[in-house]
Amino acid sequence: QQPVQSPQAVILREGEDAVINCSSSKALYSVHWYRQKHGEAPVFLMILLKGGEQKGHDKISASFNEKKQQSSLYLTASQLSYSGTYFCGTEVPMDSNYQLIWGAGTKLIIKP
Amino acid sequence: DGGITQSPKYLFRKEGQNVTLSCEQNLNHDAMYWYRQDPGQGLRLIYYSQIVNDFQKGDIAEGYSVSREKKESFPLTVTSAQKNPTAFYLCASSIGSGLAGANEQFFGPGTRLTVL
Repeated sequence: QQPVQSPQAVILREGEDAVINCSSSKALYSVHWYRQKHGEAPVFLMILLKGGEQKGHDKISASFNEKKQQSSLYLTASQLSYSGTYFCGTEVPMDSNYQLIWGAGTKLIIKP
Repeated sequence: DGGITQSPKYLFRKEGQNVTLSCEQNLNHDAMYWYRQDPGQGLRLIYYSQIVNDFQKGDIAEGYSVSREKKESFPLTVTSAQKNPTAFYLCASSIGSGLAGANEQFFGPGTRLTVL
């Protein structure tokens, strides 16, 4: 049930682009993206809802492909502040509501 | 400032002891969650609560207990039945626990529990 993230880790130079993928074996209702710095709490980036929409803020955007049951996070012209571990979460039905199931994370290291 | 607070930041426990981790939010959120995070891994749900006086088990509830007597408070007790409690514990809250974009989760700073 856990979504699969790829790659597990990536090292970039400042200014390079990165793509992080999140795939599910189950139908996706929504995908959440968060970033966590070491020893800190995860911070919300964006939610994508069913419908294939693409969202973004600043130089971070994401797409949601319902048919492929996959979401991708795009980091353009990466900055040092983008370093951290990126988690995707997918909502699955549970009881009378929905529960967020988290991927294992993708560690992103940006070097100057 | 609205947010979530967790205390303590670091906690050391001897084997066989129960410990309680505090989580308080002033965001007026209905839903609250407890997650456990082990090194290099994602978040695993321990318990969640959608409303006061109601809570449900998550994927790894064994050895843990919670209460939700007030909307703003959701303490987690790690009991001696939890065989491997050393981990980073995160509390979160959200406006609701359904879809339609209302489920952004806000996290507290976490409590790092170490069993000696």
